[in-house]
Amino acid sequence: AQRVTQPEKLLSVFKGAPVELKCNYSYSGSPELFWYVQYSRQRLQLLLRHISRESIKGFTADLNKGETSFHLKKPFAQEEDSAMYYCALTGNAGNMLTFGGGTRLMVKP
Amino acid sequence: DAGVIQSPRHEVTEMGQEVTLRCKPISGHNSLFWYRQTMMRGLELLIYFNNNVPIDDSGMPEDRFSAKMPNASFSTLKIQPSEPRDSAVYFCASSDYRAYNEQFFGPGTRLTVL
Repeated sequence: AQRVTQPEKLLSVFKGAPVELKCNYSYSGSPELFWYVQYSRQRLQLLLRHISRESIKGFTADLNKGETSFHLKKPFAQEEDSAMYYCALTGNAGNMLTFGGGTRLMVKP
Repeated sequence: DAGVIQSPRHEVTEMGQEVTLRCKPISGHNSLFWYRQTMMRGLELLIYFNNNVPIDDSGMPEDRFSAKMPNASFSTLKIQPSEPRDSAVYFCASSDYRAYNEQFFGPGTRLTVL
């Protein structure tokens, strides 16, 4: 079975502070990991995927297979980063995604 | 492309009534997913289709829920009879295996069952 855990339901930081949204997963094979973001009154959208090794809007995420983690990081948070963030995994079950419970990020001015 | 389209955007109904949610995936996408989002349980996959065929419906909570995909451009999620605990936001998403299976989400339908 595959599972994604986001231990923090809410993360509140001040503008300019570093941000780390935690994501841990359990999966026996080689997973593909994603971060999705949902801004207020907008639809859920892909932020980044681990295979691309890209930085989007200043966010990066590194897959750590030893720790089975895929934490999302940004060195300097901006107010516009306030949103709901979901970590997701797909494995051998075709293209089905398993989502974590989500973390609400609030960036205060 | 307008992206994934869902209707209605909001639905308020009374307990016991039938509810039908509709989804139009992105043209050319071969997979379609129905999710339910609640504060308590987060985002849950209800069912997904590949090439119009249901592949995994293990997330469908009860027999009151049913989903169909009669063709590549349309899907429905039906709840009959509806109950207050069905109140949630229901999302539809579609993906194309040629695009690394990135899922594109619709705006969601906010269902309130009184």
